[in-house]
Amino acid sequence: NAGVTQTPKFQVLKTGQSMTLQCAQDMNHEYMSWYRQDPGMGLRLIHYSVGAGITDQGEVPNGYNVSRSTTEDFPLRLLSAAPSQTSVYFCASRLQGGPEAFFGQGTRLTVV
Amino acid sequence: GDSVTQMEGPVTLSEEAFLTINCTYTATGYPSLFWYVQYPGEGLQLLLKATKADDKGSNKGFEATYRKETTSFHLEKGSVQVSDSAVYFCALSLNSGGYQKVTFGIGTKLQVIP
Repeated sequence: NAGVTQTPKFQVLKTGQSMTLQCAQDMNHEYMSWYRQDPGMGLRLIHYSVGAGITDQGEVPNGYNVSRSTTEDFPLRLLSAAPSQTSVYFCASRLQGGPEAFFGQGTRLTVV
Repeated sequence: GDSVTQMEGPVTLSEEAFLTINCTYTATGYPSLFWYVQYPGEGLQLLLKATKADDKGSNKGFEATYRKETTSFHLEKGSVQVSDSAVYFCALSLNSGGYQKVTFGIGTKLQVIP
């Protein structure tokens, strides 16, 4: 039982490049979400999904896309990276009715 | 909207000192309350939780009591260790439109020196 797995752990992008951050969970959780963590800002919700085929925007969705084709996977796409997207990104999952969240180890993204 | 307030820190303590990290919240309903811990280079892990007023959550020597009258959930530990150095996040969870919406505080960095 691996929990929540994020890849890659580190990434450097040039401005304008695109990439996908991967997130997978093996706990059959309905709810998955993406956060970014910045100094002095705590965790801010980017996008979330309450089940396969259903996604919605969080607090800071601009510049990011998501899709949820399976229960297990919830990738986050940056279509045209900007320096303002330099951050640490966390994926989390939990049961629909359960408050406790399980987090991945994070992806540290630098956009130059 | 819902919010969680905690100091950013850093809080610097000597080993075996008493720890208090304050957390207060604003919520439109009756939330569940949590403390998460993030060790360097890792994701967040649930430390403890409380789901109703006057409940006390505890784990690894840490405690927090759900105080509805003061809308607070302060984290305490009687004797900290160097290994407790981490960032601590207070969070609340409320049912919103059929699912649980989680709101995090900004995180408090704790540094414990030998």
